[in-house]
Amino acid sequence: QKEVEQDPGPLSVPEGAIVSLNCTYSNSAFQYFMWYRQYSRKGPELLMYTYSSGNKEDGRFTAQVDKSSKYISLFIRDSQPSDSATYLCAMRPIEGRQLTFGSGTQLTVLP
Amino acid sequence: NAGVTQTPKFRILKIGQSMTLQCAQDMNHNYMYWYRQDPGMGLKLIYYSVGAGITDKGEVPNGYNVSRSTTEDFPLRLELAAPSQTSVYFCASRQGGGFQETQYFGPGTRLLVL
Repeated sequence: QKEVEQDPGPLSVPEGAIVSLNCTYSNSAFQYFMWYRQYSRKGPELLMYTYSSGNKEDGRFTAQVDKSSKYISLFIRDSQPSDSATYLCAMRPIEGRQLTFGSGTQLTVLP
Repeated sequence: NAGVTQTPKFRILKIGQSMTLQCAQDMNHNYMYWYRQDPGMGLKLIYYSVGAGITDKGEVPNGYNVSRSTTEDFPLRLELAAPSQTSVYFCASRQGGGFQETQYFGPGTRLLVL
């Protein structure tokens, strides 16, 4: 079993839709949770960063962490064609030096 | 401020050849990382460094070597290229030691081994 499982997609939605991207994990030591966005043929860039359980909102993006279920989500409201990218979840323990990444979900937002 | 730079952008190698992938950062970051990304497989950590002169293995280090003689540079060496090393390689850096975990990634090097 992989430490981090991510819905592979691909996911295709119409412009304006609400998108839900999800990851599950097995290591209860993970405390820091991140979402990276990767455009085609580019390096990943940090989108959202959360610590432990709870929600964090930034504009149209909301990151949610449920440590009891070992489940994290990224919600995108009013999705735009510019949101079309691969989204990678990543996480690490408090003292960890390395991130563990999910396999990524490819999202296409159709105009 | 260029951030993280990688060269070359693309390279074709023959089986058994060697090459060095270059990575440099101008943000004075302590931590640097090398990942490989295969289609649909996410990012796998090859090696990382927490400062000049200090390196450690990641998840998939076999077939690779690294060195960190300066804070800025973190080259990745492939000694005997194999088809299994065909991948996209990303270098990343972060300051380290703080709450915020922002890894800055380079644009990647696409490697094809034939």
